[in-house]
Amino acid sequence: DAGITQSPRYKITETGRQVTLMCHQTWSHSYMFWYRQDLGHGLRLIYYSAAADITDKGEVPDGYVVSRSKTENFPLTLESATRSQTSVYFCASHGAPTYEQYFGPGTRLTVT
Amino acid sequence: AQRVTQPEKLLSVFKGAPVELKCNYSYSGSPELFWYVQYSRQRLQLLLRHISRESIKGFTADLNKGETSFHLKKPFAQEEDSAMYYCALSPNYNDMRFGAGTRLTVKP
Repeated sequence: DAGITQSPRYKITETGRQVTLMCHQTWSHSYMFWYRQDLGHGLRLIYYSAAADITDKGEVPDGYVVSRSKTENFPLTLESATRSQTSVYFCASHGAPTYEQYFGPGTRLTVT
Repeated sequence: AQRVTQPEKLLSVFKGAPVELKCNYSYSGSPELFWYVQYSRQRLQLLLRHISRESIKGFTADLNKGETSFHLKKPFAQEEDSAMYYCALSPNYNDMRFGAGTRLTVKP
């Protein structure tokens, strides 16, 4: 589904650097989410947003920052990357009243 | 606390055999429950949700509130069913909790 895209698809960065992962959706969905996918943990919610300028923490928010100035974009920033943040990051969105989430293709981030 | 447990990390069956992927959840209210599938090198996609009660690609899942389970079943597995399967629970619009996933391999 081209409706939700992520960039970059692959990223290698060094410990301590700031990195931003982008997420863009074309459906005008109100809700957007960031997850990280790790072996043995499944997907864990980092942050979510219910609308533009409304964001809140999920299950594992430490070390991450989000913003949502426009409905269609929901960037995730790692302010000072650590090796423990090596993961695959998925962005998702949904439009109420359905709870069904639509996922982006993922960004594989490696922190060296 | 909301929790989703998928007790099997790996599951292997032969083509044509029945398959059941287990999912147990803990939640005091009435959540929406989902099964998502991730094929190799593809994004997660919804397989089915309990409120729609439909069968997708031959898979069904019945919600058992007494046992707090939402097991995924298919009577005759196909090789193309090999994938990672995630059970998920959503108590509200803002939250979705996923299990750790079960990797299903269907052998020829």
